[in-house]
Amino acid sequence: GESVGLHLPTLSVQEGDNSIINCAYSNSASDYFIWYKQESGKGPQFIIDIRSNMDKRQGQRVTVLLNKTVKHLSLQIAATQPGDSAVYFCAEKNGYSSASKIIFGSGTRLSIRP
Amino acid sequence: GAVVSQHPSWVICKSGTSVKIECRSLDFQATTMFWYRQFPKQSLMLMATSNEGSKATYEQGVEKDKFLINHASLTLSTLTVTSAHPEDSSFYICSWGGTPSDTQYFGPGTRLTVL
Repeated sequence: GESVGLHLPTLSVQEGDNSIINCAYSNSASDYFIWYKQESGKGPQFIIDIRSNMDKRQGQRVTVLLNKTVKHLSLQIAATQPGDSAVYFCAEKNGYSSASKIIFGSGTRLSIRP
Repeated sequence: GAVVSQHPSWVICKSGTSVKIECRSLDFQATTMFWYRQFPKQSLMLMATSNEGSKATYEQGVEKDKFLINHASLTLSTLTVTSAHPEDSSFYICSWGGTPSDTQYFGPGTRLTVL
């Protein structure tokens, strides 16, 4: 596989604060990016996506920012809640079709302090 | 909608045995199957991609004779880990692509432990 197997870094955030999770992607040809949330023992859950012709996209309490110049992606979670505790992965694709393979980047564990 | 099941959800087996993992789409049909492997505290690594009726395409470093993929239909795919060894212990996750909504749907994963 192309993703890198690294031990996961942890981001600890106070409940109610905003969380920012960063990701560097590898393939400059990638034109579609996705953030996933994975809870322990479960499969990844789609959060939000963004196409390469955009630099920002907002969802409910989440915002994704894309900087193609430096190949950087970030996920912002507003008013972080205990239910947001999970591991978050960025992922990239070449092509928008669901038949195109998704390559996962390194993840970040989000821990919420009460 | 878009329910994906994997069976079994967890399995423990002895070294040298083979284990089959099923991935089903319960309320949709899809053309493409992706199998991922995830070691503890690591990211998901794509193992192979398959389309119904075609041979799977394996990622570099993944042994096709060890990880047999059978893409039987538009709703069922299986991954067989042959002659499993402790280093094959991992979390295996399937994902359906080429779906009617053109969204990729992930399964809940199968935890394999090889003793």
